[in-house]
Amino acid sequence: DQQVKQNSPSLSVQEGRISILNCDYTNSMFDYFLWYKKYPAEGPTFLISISSIKDKNEDGRFTVFLNKSAKHLSLHIVPSQPGDSAVYFCAASGSLPYAGGTSYGKLTFGQGTILTVHP
Amino acid sequence: GAGVSQSPSNKVTEKGKDVELRCDPISGHTALYWYRQSLGQGLEFLIYFQGNSAPDKSGLPSDRFSAERTGGSVSTLTIQRTQQEDSAVYLCASSWREGYTFGSGTRLTVV
Repeated sequence: DQQVKQNSPSLSVQEGRISILNCDYTNSMFDYFLWYKKYPAEGPTFLISISSIKDKNEDGRFTVFLNKSAKHLSLHIVPSQPGDSAVYFCAASGSLPYAGGTSYGKLTFGQGTILTVHP
Repeated sequence: GAGVSQSPSNKVTEKGKDVELRCDPISGHTALYWYRQSLGQGLEFLIYFQGNSAPDKSGLPSDRFSAERTGGSVSTLTIQRTQQEDSAVYLCASSWREGYTFGSGTRLTVV
């Protein structure tokens, strides 16, 4: 049962254009969502996150949108750069961090989308 | 160290042998996780340690898999009687308040 799905295995974009990566989830208990980026032979690195109380979070060129009613989130990268070429994973958690210092608990990841940005 | 360290980076083993994979989390991180990524697949949760609480082992695929975390720091993932379907990249991550920090993984190949 794939609770987090990235239905596009790959995406190719021209440098300078917008990249839109999509993610759908089925578990309504998820309330925290994250995007990770992974280069070959490296571990995933955290990009951006959003909690379910928001519908948008922006950090520089990266913006994550959350549509709770549709159980859908997307990552927008604008403008796209060749260095953005990597595998992008969305992930979801049922836990929220608290001030005492905690983790998100286990994350459920999508299958990943390979983004290629052409010069 | 500054990051999550995993060893070995690559491991080739014969079917039926036992293997141990090691993870050194970031100092002070109370949570430690193991995931694996099989070819063409997403990251699959295996096990999660949080402080002194009992670990969440719900992702371990069989009783051939076990993990321990000694002294709230270093963790070892053990796979007994390895099978070819165990071949994957095994990723460890640790966290405290911010998002996970992943290690570079151990690529396990069972031949």
